[in-house]
Amino acid sequence: ELKVEQNPLFLSMQEGKNYTIYCNYSTTSDRLYWYRQDPGKSLESLFVLLSNGAVKQEGRLMASLDTKARLSTLHITAAVHDLSATYFCAGGNAGNMLTFGGGTRLMVKP
Amino acid sequence: DSGVTQTPKHLITATGQRVTLRCSPRSGDLSVYWYQQSLDQGLQFLIQYYNGEERAKGNILERFSAQQFPDLHSELNLSSLELGDSALYFCASSVGPGQPQHFGDGTRLSIL
Repeated sequence: ELKVEQNPLFLSMQEGKNYTIYCNYSTTSDRLYWYRQDPGKSLESLFVLLSNGAVKQEGRLMASLDTKARLSTLHITAAVHDLSATYFCAGGNAGNMLTFGGGTRLMVKP
Repeated sequence: DSGVTQTPKHLITATGQRVTLRCSPRSGDLSVYWYQQSLDQGLQFLIQYYNGEERAKGNILERFSAQQFPDLHSELNLSSLELGDSALYFCASSVGPGQPQHFGDGTRLSIL
């Protein structure tokens, strides 16, 4: 059974700073997803990582995948307030049911 | 806008009752997934349908059932409701297994 753990669960940071969210998963996963959720809102797909060494970037967010270490990271560069949200990673298997981590609540302070 | 439509947005009911949540997937998507999000359990996969057939089951209670109709919309039926069933229920759809899932806005269910 796939288990996904994120850390930290809560992150408060100043604008302009860099930080990384970590996502560890327990068994082989076909692919790794990152989603963003604003309070009371739906989940917005950010990245899909399919293979070892995959790196994807969108604006100030960059996600990477190390399948050997069973680790994905979401790196935030020069954070801005608009990035405040909860970020989830999720592992997907062949059936594509997603197993989500507990989420990282990010607060970026001006 | 993800293209996935869920109704109703909010539902308030009492313990012991039965409710039906509805989901219309994005045009062209054959797979529908249901998830439950609660404070204590986080986001949990419930069930998946592909082109009308059940494909995978997660932590779905026996009191819950779902189906996908020929027009590909899906319904999640929750019966004998308990206080602990209060949660945000999301539907997601994808073209097929392995493809990115797009989430609807969710149905917030409150049990009084």
